[in-house]
Amino acid sequence: EDQVTQSPEALRLQEGESSSLNCSYTVSGLRGLFWYRQDPGKGPEFLFTLYSAGEEKEKERLKATLTKKESFLHITAPKPEDSATYLCAVQRFSGSARQLTFGSGTQLTVLP
Amino acid sequence: NAGVTQTPKFRVLKTGQSMTLLCAQDMNHEYMYWYRQDPGMGLRLIHYSVGEGTTAKGEVPDGYNVSRLKKQNFLLGLESAAPSQTSVYFCASKAAGTAITGELFFGEGSRLTVL
Repeated sequence: EDQVTQSPEALRLQEGESSSLNCSYTVSGLRGLFWYRQDPGKGPEFLFTLYSAGEEKEKERLKATLTKKESFLHITAPKPEDSATYLCAVQRFSGSARQLTFGSGTQLTVLP
Repeated sequence: NAGVTQTPKFRVLKTGQSMTLLCAQDMNHEYMYWYRQDPGMGLRLIHYSVGEGTTAKGEVPDGYNVSRLKKQNFLLGLESAAPSQTSVYFCASKAAGTAITGELFFGEGSRLTVL
């Protein structure tokens, strides 16, 4: 059974204080690992897809990295508008419709 | 471009009542999904569809039924609501050609409370 564990559950940062979110996964045959951002009262919004260990993707203040067992979402010099819940998900090679297994998320709060 | 639209956004039911959640997408996507999101448990897949007229069970299908009579619509039904079905429900869609990228487009959610 695929498992995705995110830590910490919640993180409070001061504006400009860089940090990282962790996503540990167990999956038989990883096809891809995905990061989503979810604002309160909204649906998740796609950020990145990572396919293989060593891969990195960047978008503004966010950088996602992948190893064989975990992924990190690095947030450099965050701003209050980066406050959101960040979700990690994995996709396996087998199975139809390429279902995703989601973690429970890290709720990030960036204080001004 | 509306994307994925869910109706209703909020609903309160009594135990045993039935209801249907409607999801409509205007992106001509093949794949559609229904998830539920509960505190501390992440998004869990209820049912999904790989095309018009097809449906399949996900991780937590019990107590729910779905139909995809038209490509753009995916309906989630609760025949006899239970308090355990109190949750936020999200519909998502994906183009068949992006099967390996995993990019799902989500609606804004439907918050259901069962008393």
